[in-house]
Amino acid sequence: KQEVTQIPAALSVPEGENLVLNCSFTDSAIYNLQWFRQDPGKGLTSLLLIQSSQREQTSGRLNASLDKSSGRSTLYIAASQPGDSATYLCAARDNYGQNFVFGPGTRLSVLP
Amino acid sequence: AAGVIQSPRHLIKEKRETATLKCYPIPRHDTVYWYQQGPGQDPQFLISFYEKMQSDKGSIPDRFSAQQFSDYHSELNMSSLELGDSALYFCASTIIGLAGGGELFFGEGSRLTVL
Repeated sequence: KQEVTQIPAALSVPEGENLVLNCSFTDSAIYNLQWFRQDPGKGLTSLLLIQSSQREQTSGRLNASLDKSSGRSTLYIAASQPGDSATYLCAARDNYGQNFVFGPGTRLSVLP
Repeated sequence: AAGVIQSPRHLIKEKRETATLKCYPIPRHDTVYWYQQGPGQDPQFLISFYEKMQSDKGSIPDRFSAQQFSDYHSELNMSSLELGDSALYFCASTIIGLAGGGELFFGEGSRLTVL
């Protein structure tokens, strides 16, 4: 059974810092991996989708990488801003079905 | 662009009552998922439908049922509500059959409060 973990659970940084969020999954047979952002009481907003055949995806200040062999994905946020404060979740879609398994999220606070 | 639409956005019920949540997926998406998210928790998978057929089942209580209709909208029916059912309920949709794997899109959620 696929398990997804995220480190750190919470992170507080001053504005302008570059930071890395980590996502680990136990079963490397994934179809794709997706990163989401969630603001309190709101829905999940898709940030980046990485297919199993890809190594990384970029969108603006965000860059996500995928290393299936080690069961890891990282989300890199450049020049962080207070508006980046949110919870970031990763989700792995397994090869065997259609289900997405979520990590517990990293709660990010960017201080002005 | 059209997004996943959920209704109602907020719902307050008494214990033992029944509630129905609705989800309208993005047009042409063939798969719908329901998730439950308690305070401070990650989304927990309840149930999914692919082309109007139930495709997978997660930690959905027997008191809950769901279906997907011919127009692809889905409804989650919750009966004999308990205090512990208070949570955010999310619907998400994607195109499973898309080559390379489809992106998962979420609705804004329905907040259920059971008193």
